[in-house]
Amino acid sequence: GENVEQHPSTLSVQEGDSAVIKCTYSDSASNYFPWYKQELGKRPQLIIDIRSNVGEKKDQRIAVTLNKTAKHFSLHITETQPEDSAVYFCAASRTGGSYIPTFGRGTSLIVHP
Amino acid sequence: DAGVTQSPTHLIKTRGQQVTLRCSPISGHKSVSWYQQVLGQGPQFIFQYYEKEERGRGNFPDRFSARQFPNYSSELNVNALLLGDSALYLCASSWTGVEKLFFGSGTQLSVL
Repeated sequence: GENVEQHPSTLSVQEGDSAVIKCTYSDSASNYFPWYKQELGKRPQLIIDIRSNVGEKKDQRIAVTLNKTAKHFSLHITETQPEDSAVYFCAASRTGGSYIPTFGRGTSLIVHP
Repeated sequence: DAGVTQSPTHLIKTRGQQVTLRCSPISGHKSVSWYQQVLGQGPQFIFQYYEKEERGRGNFPDRFSARQFPNYSSELNVNALLLGDSALYLCASSWTGVEKLFFGSGTQLSVL
């Protein structure tokens, strides 16, 4: 089955710095890669996603890049703000066939004011 | 517009008991998925239903079962509870079942 590795487990940055979270996946058939943000005590919320036919996608301060050959994808947050502090999860799944999405273990991002 | 709703929010059970968790998807969403989240880890996929049919099943024992009703709401049942079943159980709904999941706030299950 699919295996998703996420690094780092904890990331501490100063406000205004950039943050990068990386994930690798094992199943070359995976073609959908979402990122979720989960604030303490709250539900996970989708912040950005990318399909395997796209190499990069941006939404304001957030971007995701995908390297299908190397089977890794990354979340980039620029100009970090204290409200970006949360746990971020990557995931990988197929959009066809048997649906078994796999999540990474999460990255706790701490943005210091 | 109401989001995904789950009930109950908290539940305390003892080993060996059975539990039923409920989920109502966003209006118009035909797919519901269930996840187990243990503290400090990512959500682990349990089941997905689309149009009342099971589309996917994660690596969970047969003690876990689910169903989806004609109104697209769903129930997750867990029999013969073990201490290790203590976790946050999340329900997510979506249009297609795969993309753009909307999560509920979860049911925190404690097994004593």
